Amino acid sequence: GENVEQHPSTLSVQEGDSAVIKCTYSDSASNYFPWYKQELGKRPQLIIDIRSNVGEKKDQRIAVTLNKTAKHFSLHITETQPEDSAVYFCAASIGNNFNKFYFGSGTKLNVKP
Amino acid sequence: EAQVTQNPRYLITVTGKKLTVTCSQNMNHEYMSWYRQDPGLGLRQIYYSMNVEVTDKGDVPEGYKVSRKEKRNFPLILESPSPNQTSLYFCASSFAPFEETQYFGPGTRLLVL
Repeated sequence: GENVEQHPSTLSVQEGDSAVIKCTYSDSASNYFPWYKQELGKRPQLIIDIRSNVGEKKDQRIAVTLNKTAKHFSLHITETQPEDSAVYFCAASIGNNFNKFYFGSGTKLNVKP
Repeated sequence: EAQVTQNPRYLITVTGKKLTVTCSQNMNHEYMSWYRQDPGLGLRQIYYSMNVEVTDKGDVPEGYKVSRKEKRNFPLILESPSPNQTSLYFCASSFAPFEETQYFGPGTRLLVL
């Protein structure tokens, strides 16, 4: 099956700095790549996603880039704020209807005020 | 209010005692899925369902069963729980696997003694 690796496992940045989280995947058939944010004790929530026919997508301070040739995708958060502190998960979707999801192991982001 | 609900939220049980975790959504979603979350492993998909009476295995289906008799409900059944099934379980739903955001339930924390 698909294997998604995520780095780093922890990331500490100063407020206002940028944060980058990287994921690689193994199956070239994967075609949909969502990112989730999970605050402590809460459920995961989608923050941005990208499909394989797009190389980059932005939503305010958040952007995702995808390199299908290299099979990696990254989450970029600019001008980080303390409320960005959370665990972030990447995922790759595969299957006949892209209905099987494989998640990375998560990155704990700490934004220091 | 659009939501995914799970019950119970917390459960302590003993090895071998059958249990069911319910999941219900009120958004008329076709796609539903179960995940387990363990420290350092991220989320792993257990089973998913594309529609009523259509279910399929995810990445870690061993020891679990599901059913989809109604569109809104997708219960997770542990016929004979074992301690390695101690985990945090999330149900999720969407109109389609990648066309819409997956909405996650609040989670069920299960401890098997």
